[in-house]
Amino acid sequence: QKEVEQNSGPLSVPEGAIASLNCTYSDRGSQSFFWYRQYSGKSPELIMSIYSNGDKEDGRFTAQLNKASQYVSLLIRDSQPSDSATYLCAVISGGYNKLIFGAGTRLAVHP
Amino acid sequence: GAVVSQHPSRVICKSGTSVKIECRSLDFQATTMFWYRQFPKQSLMLMATSNEGSKATYEQGVEKDKFLINHASLTLSTLTVTSAHPEDSSFYICSAPSTSHGTEAFFGQGTRLTVV
Repeated sequence: QKEVEQNSGPLSVPEGAIASLNCTYSDRGSQSFFWYRQYSGKSPELIMSIYSNGDKEDGRFTAQLNKASQYVSLLIRDSQPSDSATYLCAVISGGYNKLIFGAGTRLAVHP
Repeated sequence: GAVVSQHPSRVICKSGTSVKIECRSLDFQATTMFWYRQFPKQSLMLMATSNEGSKATYEQGVEKDKFLINHASLTLSTLTVTSAHPEDSSFYICSAPSTSHGTEAFFGQGTRLTVV
């Protein structure tokens, strides 16, 4: 079983819609969860971090965490074409604060 | 936010040669740095954890004699790809956790390695 699982997509949404990205993880002891956005050929950039159960909102982005279900999600409201990218779910697992990534979900926002 | 600088951004080398990639934390000290590899359309795969003043910890399946890691100071880690082959062509990215920002990790710009 992979440590962090995501649907690879592509997820296609129209401009202005809500994009919903999902992630599950296997390490029940994980306490820190992140969503990164990566454009082709670039390094990941952090969008959201979440550490507690529930929702965390930042602008158009909302991260949701359910530790009992080992599930993390990211909602993007009012999706824009510039949001088109690969979204990586990442989890701190093991010692040294190792960041383990999911395979990423490719999001395409079409005008 | 904290800055991690990675150099070079692109390198092309001949098969059999070695390539060194540097990763520097510019405004904070990093006792630990991570090295990732990313093949096209795939996710970031953790290769190894670089520890200042001690040996690196390699992930399963990563050849430590081929991917030499040195973490000589609190601001610099290097990855050397030895005897490079075309299958080593990939995007290599380093990251460092910042103790002043919780468990957040800061990434270098990445190095696109092409072995011809």
